[in-house]
Amino acid sequence: AQSVTQLGSHVSVSEGALVLLRCNYSSSVPPYLFWYVQYPNQGLQLLLKYTSAATLVKGINGFEAEFKKSETSFHLTKPSAHMSDAAEYFCAVSLPRSYNQGGKLIFGQGTELSVKP
Amino acid sequence: NAGVTQTPKFRILKIGQSMTLQCTQDMNHNYMYWYRQDPGMGLKLIYYSVGAGITDKGEVPNGYNVSRSTTEDFPLRLELAAPSQTSVYFCASRTSGQGNTGELFFGEGSRLTVL
Repeated sequence: AQSVTQLGSHVSVSEGALVLLRCNYSSSVPPYLFWYVQYPNQGLQLLLKYTSAATLVKGINGFEAEFKKSETSFHLTKPSAHMSDAAEYFCAVSLPRSYNQGGKLIFGQGTELSVKP
Repeated sequence: NAGVTQTPKFRILKIGQSMTLQCTQDMNHNYMYWYRQDPGMGLKLIYYSVGAGITDKGEVPNGYNVSRSTTEDFPLRLELAAPSQTSVYFCASRTSGQGNTGELFFGEGSRLTVL
């Protein structure tokens, strides 16, 4: 079975500072990995995804993530935080169809990002 | 574009009552899901469906039932509501046409309180 662990339930950064949100996964086969963002009182929106092509993935709003198989990690970064980045971020894992007929995503616990002025 | 629509947005139930959360999508997606979100716990999969007439249990199905009579609709029924079912419920859908790499589209959520 696959799983994801997000280190740190709450991260606080200053505006303009580097954002680093950590995600480690566990999977017996090569996984697909996703980062979603949730703004207050809204559903989740896709930020970016890794699907076995390039290991460095760029997403919306200046976010990027790097798949590191040796470290089983998929950390999310942004060089310079903006106030509008304040939200909750979720890492999620899925497997190829041959292992996961229903296309299910398994989510991590979430990390709330606060941005201080 | 409506996307995934959930109703109601808010509901308060008494212990033992039943209700149905409605979910409909207009993207012709085969795959649909119900998740619940609790603080610090992330999202847990309740039930999912790979097409009309086909449903299966997720991680936390106890106390819930689903049906999928059409591609568009995937209602979630709570029987005999309990305080442990107080949560925010999200319906989501994705296409089956991209392997399992496609984006999951979410509704805005239904906040349920059981007293």
